[in-house]
Amino acid sequence: QSALTQPRSVSGSPGQSVTISCTGSSSDVGAYDYVSWYQHHPGKAPQFLIFEVSKRPSGVPNRFSGSKSGNTASLTISGLQAEDEADYYCCSFSDGSTHWLFGGGTKVTVL
Amino acid sequence: EVQLVESGGVLVQPGGSLRLSCAASGFSFSDCWMSWVRQAPGKGLEWVANINQRGSDENYADSLRGRIAISRDNARNSLYLELNSLRAEDTALYYCVRHGYYNFDFWGQGTLVTVSS
Repeated sequence: QSALTQPRSVSGSPGQSVTISCTGSSSDVGAYDYVSWYQHHPGKAPQFLIFEVSKRPSGVPNRFSGSKSGNTASLTISGLQAEDEADYYCCSFSDGSTHWLFGGGTKVTVL
Repeated sequence: EVQLVESGGVLVQPGGSLRLSCAASGFSFSDCWMSWVRQAPGKGLEWVANINQRGSDENYADSLRGRIAISRDNARNSLYLELNSLRAEDTALYYCVRHGYYNFDFWGQGTLVTVSS
């Protein structure tokens, strides 16, 4: 199976909103609501951001929100802040023999 | 405090083998599925393998199946990954990751494997 498809980069000014797409297939994103998102500041451990498409773990600001339509999931960061500058990865459970697929990652730049 | 501390990453020659370890603390290790996820330099995350709570169910990424083995020792709160027939493209930071319910809810800092002659 191929990795999920994400844009390489997105950018926005402080206070603006950005949305990252994550496109898979009917075997993964489209088949299950087990899409999760991770924030990764280089040199640090990735952080769990969103699970089951749109749920936030305890401690994650409500500026982060997730959604899904068909084979594409999305992460929206509202009220962009400087500390949001990081790489973001989507992940989905898959019914293929490789059970978990990640996206290629999206670099968010705060202008 | 949940902690996952990986070790065992080294410089190894192509064709070589090594074993990565992950020491878990701060949670009930024996109650959790665990995974290894890797990140090659300049690349994205790639799921490698996972194992269930008792070690009786193992799953592997297609790209690595046959060359790797995941295992655990619940008495030692430890997770392991054996890598064989290593190739340059296996060069990566290998993360030990705890599963939540169909997600990865806690990650270690990673251990670096470099495959080079």
